[in-house]
Amino acid sequence: QVQLQESGPGLVKPSETLSLTCTVSGGSMSTYYWSWIRQPPGKGLEWIGFFDYSGSGSSKNNPSLKSRVFISVDTSKNHFSLKLSSVTAADTAVYYCARGPPGGNPDYWGQGTLVTVSS
Amino acid sequence: EIVLTQSPATLSLSPGERATLSCRASQSVSSYLAWYQQKPGQAPRLLIYDASNRATGIPARFSGSGSGTDFTLTISSLEPEDFALYYCQQRSNWLWTFGQGTKVEIK
Repeated sequence: QVQLQESGPGLVKPSETLSLTCTVSGGSMSTYYWSWIRQPPGKGLEWIGFFDYSGSGSSKNNPSLKSRVFISVDTSKNHFSLKLSSVTAADTAVYYCARGPPGGNPDYWGQGTLVTVSS
Repeated sequence: EIVLTQSPATLSLSPGERATLSCRASQSVSSYLAWYQQKPGQAPRLLIYDASNRATGIPARFSGSGSGTDFTLTISSLEPEDFALYYCQQRSNWLWTFGQGTKVEIK
């Protein structure tokens, strides 16, 4: 059974970089899309970006986040990571990692981790 | 960016009733439309992908239809565990977007 688990600081100061890791167990990291999605408290879902490990080895990010997002995959550690720079209070959210088939929708999700941006 | 508009915002129904949720796209997404269910404190769960295909383990009472810009999620007979938030999501291009959600609540 595939399981994903997010980890990282629950509190980040404004202007700093948010860093999260998603550890994957029960399956290979090859041939999948690895995504990050977030949900501000009481609000809807926002796609952050994904890393395509199925072929191109490239990532795509939500343009609304400009160039603040960096997603990487480390298959030797069975995890993938999110870095979001220059955070503000608007980046406070539950952050989810997820796996999806090539060109498909995320079908396995982590439980989510709340990150609060505050001084 | 493709905008997804879900309606209604809230659907008040009783167990055993039929639920019909709508998702409209600002431009065609072909059949690249998915539906998710989310319960409080939980991650979203994939119900339907590519407009009409049930994900693994999803009961047959959930069905999806539509193509282009208009899509529907139907729950044929509501079970107590179906009262939740539902989101649609498109992946017609690499810029994925979600709808704002429909809450199915107990009447």
